[in-house]
Amino acid sequence: KAGVTQTPRYLIKTRGQQVTLSCSPISGHRSVSWYQQTPGQGLQFLFEYFSETQRNKGNFPGRFSGRQFSNSRSEMNVSTLELGDSALYLCASSLGGRGTAFVQFFGPGTRLTVL
Amino acid sequence: GENVEQHPSTLSVQEGDSAVIKCTYSDSASNYFPWYKQELGKGPQLIIDIRSNVGEKKDQRIAVTLNKTAKHFSLHITETQPEDSAVYFCAASSGGSQGNLIFGKGTKLSVKP
Repeated sequence: KAGVTQTPRYLIKTRGQQVTLSCSPISGHRSVSWYQQTPGQGLQFLFEYFSETQRNKGNFPGRFSGRQFSNSRSEMNVSTLELGDSALYLCASSLGGRGTAFVQFFGPGTRLTVL
Repeated sequence: GENVEQHPSTLSVQEGDSAVIKCTYSDSASNYFPWYKQELGKGPQLIIDIRSNVGEKKDQRIAVTLNKTAKHFSLHITETQPEDSAVYFCAASSGGSQGNLIFGKGTKLSVKP
């Protein structure tokens, strides 16, 4: 099976712009989670989508949003970019379901640089 | 909410030695504890995980132990090799918040040949 893919791998934006990142999960996986990784804060959970619905949300401002399509592919959007949004954005996929924590497999990430 | 502490932040060992990384968690409802290895320029790769109904799990040179009473779990790597050099992250998740992993800050492991 192909792994989790993320596009683009690198992005450079300026403050005030918006950006959309894409994630394709492993075939058959229905849950997609997004994480932000920075040297100072480490890996922080943004949100999780399962069957096109946001199931969990981390402690990030409303400028960060996401969605999931019927084929389980997911996008996240960051509006009004700030310098502090520079980070590696990671997507993880899992089977999903309820009542138990499923193994998450990570993609290579999208490196976002805000100038 | 859940909080995961990880120690040490850096660890240097000689090739062939063992390495131990420790994590503590705060939420007694957490029941799933994965460990990830992240190499430069790559996403985290799952190396081993353990669930709360198990005290220990081993996979070749890697083992994880869990002490639910003390709320801590540890990663043990034996016979370390230079290719084990990477950043290792522990994480915790509960069944009530699927898809939400809380990560430790990471341990940079250096294995000297």
